Amino acid sequence: SQQGEEDPQALSIQEGENATMNCSYKTSINNLQWYRQNSGRGLVHLILIRSNEREKHSGRLRVTLDTSKKSSSLLITASRAADTASYFCATVSIQGAQKLVFGQGTRLTINP
Amino acid sequence: DAGITQSPRHKVTETGTPVTLRCHQTENHRYMYWYRQDPGHGLRLIHYSYGVKDTDKGEVSDGYSVSRSKTEDFLLTLESATSSQTSVYFCAITEDGGTYEQYFGPGTRLTVT
Repeated sequence: SQQGEEDPQALSIQEGENATMNCSYKTSINNLQWYRQNSGRGLVHLILIRSNEREKHSGRLRVTLDTSKKSSSLLITASRAADTASYFCATVSIQGAQKLVFGQGTRLTINP
Repeated sequence: DAGITQSPRHKVTETGTPVTLRCHQTENHRYMYWYRQDPGHGLRLIHYSYGVKDTDKGEVSDGYSVSRSKTEDFLLTLESATSSQTSVYFCAITEDGGTYEQYFGPGTRLTVT
């Protein structure tokens, strides 16, 4: 079964609004990563947060991590039409399994 | 796409035929991965490689085999394709053995009729 589970599965907002996506996972992790996938394309790495970090920023992206709740959130501020995509969280196990485990993703639609 | 290509990009094949997908990288990265993506399932790991001739199974490896005879190439073979293997296949690479941040290829859409 998937390690990460995203919530909601789909999100539709107006341009300029903030978008928040959540990810839950099951086991102890080394780090958690967020990826974006535009329709028909491969995934693109957005941001990584390590297990000893609680918050990280990159441009309009803000990621939080709560290891006690085994959850993370991705906030996109001041959304743009170009942010329309699917967003996936992925985790690396603390056991160093050399691989990522992906969630099912959140489909984000930004309406102009 | 970080110097990673996949071929073919699209393929239609019949049930029971063998199919080989190729992933080629120019980054000299150590780790390479094959995923499949299906609606409702996200990305699922099929096989991965942590060096030349070093491979391991992923979550959904049944019906698939892989080979890596050179650092730059990672081949995925469906020995006898089935309709359940209709999917989009992605290859990914990573250099960093600590964070495993991955770079993805453009994908191969495979249809098994």
